[in-house]
Amino acid sequence: GAGVSQSPSNKVTEKGKDVELRCDPISGHTALYWYRQSLGQGLEFLIYFQGNSAPDKSGLPSDRFSAERTGGSVSTLTIQRTQQEDSAVYLCASSLGPSGRLLPSYEQYFGPGTRLTVT
Amino acid sequence: QKEVEQDPGPLSVPEGAIVSLNCTYSNSAFQYFMWYRQYSRKGPELLMYTYSSGNKEDGRFTAQVDKSSKYISLFIRDSQPSDSATYLCAMRRGTSYGKLTFGQGTILTVHP
Repeated sequence: GAGVSQSPSNKVTEKGKDVELRCDPISGHTALYWYRQSLGQGLEFLIYFQGNSAPDKSGLPSDRFSAERTGGSVSTLTIQRTQQEDSAVYLCASSLGPSGRLLPSYEQYFGPGTRLTVT
Repeated sequence: QKEVEQDPGPLSVPEGAIVSLNCTYSNSAFQYFMWYRQYSRKGPELLMYTYSSGNKEDGRFTAQVDKSSKYISLFIRDSQPSDSATYLCAMRRGTSYGKLTFGQGTILTVHP
C-alpha cells in the first residue's frame, strides 16, 4: 500500500522567509510524528500528534516552529522567519497509534523527507 | 551528554563479513529498542525491534539488548553490498508513546 508521503521533496528558501512542509500519513494511522535530521546527526524529535489529544510539542526548538494536523490526517509543519541553522531534512512518520504493542505494524514508518536549505 | 550514543563510523567491510553495530544509552526508562536502516536520500525503514533484554534473530540480522549494561547491538551476517546504508538505533520508553530517541547513525559500506 501507499506509504508516508511528503512534499516538497526539496525546498530552498531565503533567510527570513516562512516555509510550509506537508506530510500525508499512511491511511488509517492515527499517530503522526515530525523529526529533523541535520547533517551527520541522528533524528531529533519535534512534535507528535495522536488522535484528538493535545500534541506533544516538547521537541520544537523555538516558537518559530509550529505544526498542525487537520482532520486527523494531513499535517503541515511551518517554520517562520527561517534561519540558516534550520537547514536540515524534515522527516514525517506515522503509526497505527500508541505504540505500546510489540508489533511492527505499531511502529513508526517514515516518509522520504523534505530537504530544506536556507540561504 | 546525549541520551543515546552511537559510533558514527564510517565502517567499511568486505562482502561476507560479520558486522557489529552498537549503541549505548543512559536512560533506564527505555524499554523498546529498534534498528532502522536509511539509504541515501531516503527515509529510515524499520529493520528490527525488540522489547527489554534479550536476542532477536531475523534472517541475517540479530538484535541484542542488554539493559543491565544499557547496551544494544545489531549483527549482520554474510554482509552484502546492498546492506550499505546508515544504521540508526532508536529507543522508546514503555510508559510514553510516540517519541523515539535516536542515535547518531553508523554509516556502513560493504564492498564487493
